[in-house]
Amino acid sequence: KNEVEQSPQNLTAQEGEFITINCSYSVGISALHWLQQHPGGGIVSLFMLSSGKKKHGRLIATINIQEKHSSLHITASHPRDSAVYICAVRPLETSGSRLTFGEGTQLTVNP
Amino acid sequence: DTGVSQDPRHKITKRGQNVTFRCDPISEHNRLYWYRQTLGQGPEFLTYFQNEAQLEKSRLLSDRFSAERPKGSFSTLEIQRTEQGDSAMYLCASSSGPFGTDTQYFGPGTRLTVL
Repeated sequence: KNEVEQSPQNLTAQEGEFITINCSYSVGISALHWLQQHPGGGIVSLFMLSSGKKKHGRLIATINIQEKHSSLHITASHPRDSAVYICAVRPLETSGSRLTFGEGTQLTVNP
Repeated sequence: DTGVSQDPRHKITKRGQNVTFRCDPISEHNRLYWYRQTLGQGPEFLTYFQNEAQLEKSRLLSDRFSAERPKGSFSTLEIQRTEQGDSAMYLCASSSGPFGTDTQYFGPGTRLTVL
């Protein structure tokens, strides 16, 4: 079993829909990251969370440390949101700051 | 600040050949990471540098793989005697600041295809 599990693996939505991507992890962490990867490989960090909730524009990320669960929400989705969204954690037991990644959720938003 | 850069962006090689990739981190970042990503999967950790010291290596990093960061600035990742299973995107990231809560900035990656 992977230390980081994401669901769903693939998600197709119509423009304007509210989207939720879930991430569960099995280890103690110092932080959780949500990342966006567009075709061609470039990865951009969206959020880093250690507790609570963060919002940036139409994106909202929440984390429940006790339940070892995080969600990424996209409000009023747009075709330009189409990308792979990756959840990554920083396990407490590792040295340095290396990340352990989920497999990603492929989001396609149709006009 | 021009971000993290990687060179080359694409590399096609024949099985058995050696390849070397370069990563230039953001200039003031003292930590540098190499990750590998195969198609449809999330990235996997390979190795990590704090300045010029290689502090951690994944068991994924076989003896055919070697990484250096000789002056604590740019880093190179060399793969000797490449195999088809080495085909992947090789990602570099850099960061600075407190451990555990620093943001990693990723380069565009080097896509390796081994024929």
